[in-house]
Amino acid sequence: RKEVEQDPGPFNVPEGATVAFNCTYSNSASQSFFWYRQDCRKEPKLLMSVYSSGNEDGRFTAQLNRASQYISLLIRDSKLSDSATYLCAVNPVPSFNKFYFGSGTKLNVKP
Amino acid sequence: DAGITQSPRHKVTETGTPVTLRCHQTENHRYMYWYRQDPGHGLRLIHYSYGVKDTDKGEVSDGYSVSRSKTEDFLLTLESATSSQTSVYFCAIKRGEGEETQYFGPGTRLLVL
Repeated sequence: RKEVEQDPGPFNVPEGATVAFNCTYSNSASQSFFWYRQDCRKEPKLLMSVYSSGNEDGRFTAQLNRASQYISLLIRDSKLSDSATYLCAVNPVPSFNKFYFGSGTKLNVKP
Repeated sequence: DAGITQSPRHKVTETGTPVTLRCHQTENHRYMYWYRQDPGHGLRLIHYSYGVKDTDKGEVSDGYSVSRSKTEDFLLTLESATSSQTSVYFCAIKRGEGEETQYFGPGTRLLVL
């Protein structure tokens, strides 16, 4: 079983829509969670960390559900520029310095 | 900008040849990582380093070796390249013990014929 799993998509949504992605993780002791954005042929860039209490940054909201072992990313009022692949990352314990990434969810925002 | 560069950015090589990829950082970070990214598999950790001469294996380390003789450079070597090692290779750094975020270099596209 993979450490981290994501629906590869693509999610095709119109501008202005709200879209949500989930990412499941297998290690219940995992401590740190992240969402990265990756544009085509570019490196991943940190979008936001995911805290136990949730995290909001403008149109983006990240949530952690420990009971069901998943994290979510909600994007409100989608923009064309949000089109990208979104990767989730987990840093499980006790491998404190190792990170596991999902394979990414592709988002296409259409005019 | 985390001050990470990778070289070369693109490389084509033949099966059986040795290949070395370089990751260079300018900010003296302790932790450095090598990942490969393939369709359907996402980013997979090859090796990482937690200090000069201190390295450990990741989930896909077979066929790869690494060296870190100074803080700023982390080298990834494919001793005898195979077509299955055709991939995009990303280097990453982690800024410190209390900082969990990883920052990535621009990547190296490697094609093994």
